Order: sequence, then structure tokens, then C-alpha cells
Amino acid sequence: GAVVSQHPSWVICKSGTSVKIECRSLDFQATTMFWYRQFPKQSLMLMATSNEGSKATYEQGVEKDKFLINHASLTLSTLTVTSAHPEDSSFYICSARDPQARNIQYFGAGTRLSVL
Amino acid sequence: GESVGLHLPTLSVQEGDNSIINCAYSNSASDYFIWYKQESGKGPQFIIDIRSNMDKRQGQRVTVLLNKTVKHLSLQIAATQPGDSAVYFCAENTPRGGGADGLTFGKGTHLIIQP
Repeated sequence: GAVVSQHPSWVICKSGTSVKIECRSLDFQATTMFWYRQFPKQSLMLMATSNEGSKATYEQGVEKDKFLINHASLTLSTLTVTSAHPEDSSFYICSARDPQARNIQYFGAGTRLSVL
Repeated sequence: GESVGLHLPTLSVQEGDNSIINCAYSNSASDYFIWYKQESGKGPQFIIDIRSNMDKRQGQRVTVLLNKTVKHLSLQIAATQPGDSAVYFCAENTPRGGGADGLTFGKGTHLIIQP
């Protein structure tokens, strides 16, 4: 399947700081990427849809000013967690839709965020 | 709201046996379904997908069945191996428009392989 790279895989930060997570599609161009959040032993919850060249569409209850999404190119979307707090600690996972493969969503390896 | 759910949180099978993981969905407007496998600390790995105009699709050692009448989806894994141990999620796509998209995931089933 297609490869989606996510970086960093693990980050620890102090409360009040901002953290940027990158998501790249390595072998295909993705006009649409997605950001999910997963708490321990729970399922994935969609946070937002990231469309190349336009504003992201956020799910209900997700603060767009706190979770900034930028999709400036066909292979890169970034998620910035601004003014992070301990309750933002979670596993953040991105996915990219491959238009050459029936629009299957391929996922990155995830980023473990721990806010102290 | 409507969501995708699962019948069992944990499934234990003997190595070499067939595994069947079930999923119930409630949104009749969903047109696409996917099964993912997630190992601990990793992102979901695509297994197999099926569109709503089909009722069965086969891959290597895996088969997905879709019953739209009762809104039921299942994943069958043949000759289960130790490497199949993971949490399996079904996910559905419901067309919403307006730039909103993405998958709705079920709660997940933890598949445990007994030697």
C-alpha cells in the first residue's frame, strides 16, 4: 500500500507551548488528508479534514484555533497544537487519501504527545 | 449520533483456526467500509475495503462480507497466525459534503491468538 510518513513519532512538551506534527504522503499526491485523535484503549476520532489549498474542515467540538491545520502542498499537511495542556496528551494520527488506489485512506504511524 | 459499533471487544482463537470479527453500523447512507488492523503504538494498517454496491470481497486470507439489510459487516481471517494479533477496527464513510469527510471508526475488537 501507499506510504504515509508522520513526524515526530513521540514528543514531550511543557504546558503552554506549541507542537507541530507533520504528515507526508511519500509516493502519491494527496489532495485530502485527515487528522484523528486516539485516547488509550479507545477508537480513532476524526478531528478535521485537510484539503490542499483551502481551509480545513473541523468536526464538531474540535477547536480550530487550538488545532491549526495547514495543507500547503499535495504531499504535506501539518497539525499544530497551540498552547498545549495536559488534557491534549493523546495519540494523533494522520491519514491521506490515495486517488490512484480507490481513494483508500492510508495512515501514518501516529504521534504520541505528552504535555507536562 | 449514529456510529459504527462492534459485537465483541475481545476475540480469542486458536492458531490455525478461522477468525470472524463482526461490526454493526447504523448509518444507512454510508457507502464505503474499510477494515483496519492496529498493532500497539502504531497507526492503522489497511486490510480490505468494500463499497455498498457489493456484498462480498476477498483478499489474501481475508474476506469482508456486507449485509446492508441488517447493517452488518464482518471480517473473516483464514488460518489465523500469531502475527494477526492486533485490534481490528471497522470504519465507514458517509457522504456529508461541504468539505467534511473522513471515516467513522467502530470501537475495535482485540484479536488474541492462542498457540
